[in-house]
Amino acid sequence: NAGVTQTPKFQVLKTGQSMTLQCAQDMNHEYMSWYRQDPGMGLRLIHYSVGAGITDQGEVPNGYNVSRSTTEDFPLRLLSAAPSQTSVYFCASRRTRGGTDTQYFGPGTRLTVL
Amino acid sequence: GIQVEQSPPDLILQEGANSTLRCNFSDSVNNLQWFHQNPWGQLINLFYIPSGTKQNGRLSATTVATERYSLLYISSSQTTDSGVYFCAVERKLTGGGNKLTFGTGTQLKVEL
Repeated sequence: NAGVTQTPKFQVLKTGQSMTLQCAQDMNHEYMSWYRQDPGMGLRLIHYSVGAGITDQGEVPNGYNVSRSTTEDFPLRLLSAAPSQTSVYFCASRRTRGGTDTQYFGPGTRLTVL
Repeated sequence: GIQVEQSPPDLILQEGANSTLRCNFSDSVNNLQWFHQNPWGQLINLFYIPSGTKQNGRLSATTVATERYSLLYISSSQTTDSGVYFCAVERKLTGGGNKLTFGTGTQLKVEL
């Protein structure tokens, strides 16, 4: 299994541009989520999905959209990039929505917005 | 929201030394996890430990849920243990998911 994969690894955007961060998992996990990591702040939940067709907001959802059309994919869209969205973005998945199973993280996407 | 505090924020060890990292949380939680973020940024789950004690090689963890803290023990530290250690507590969301709230981490550097 490849686990959780994310593309791209690095991205530079100009203010106002839009883009999609890709996330895929091949473990047939039900639950997927997006976090952002900022210096000195740990990771914060942006959006999550408990299954295909179901998404919900996390702690810091403003400026981001998600969709979950398949079990495998959970893309994160930045609608109009702002410098405040400069961060490292992690996608994560787990087998169930809240059981005693491990959460797996992707390698991250480092995004800079100029 | 729930607060998660980790101590110490920074730690430098000589190879072979032991250490204890602490995580305090401000409210009851469904679960608690410890993660290691290596110098390349990869997050690895170390322990899923809502209560009790678990051991995995040189690492062990203890959570006392009633007193709202968890400890991560690293014995005979190695340079490969360097990185940031995060504690994350888990609570259920109204939408059916679970939210991990992370502490700000302990930055560990193990030197030869």
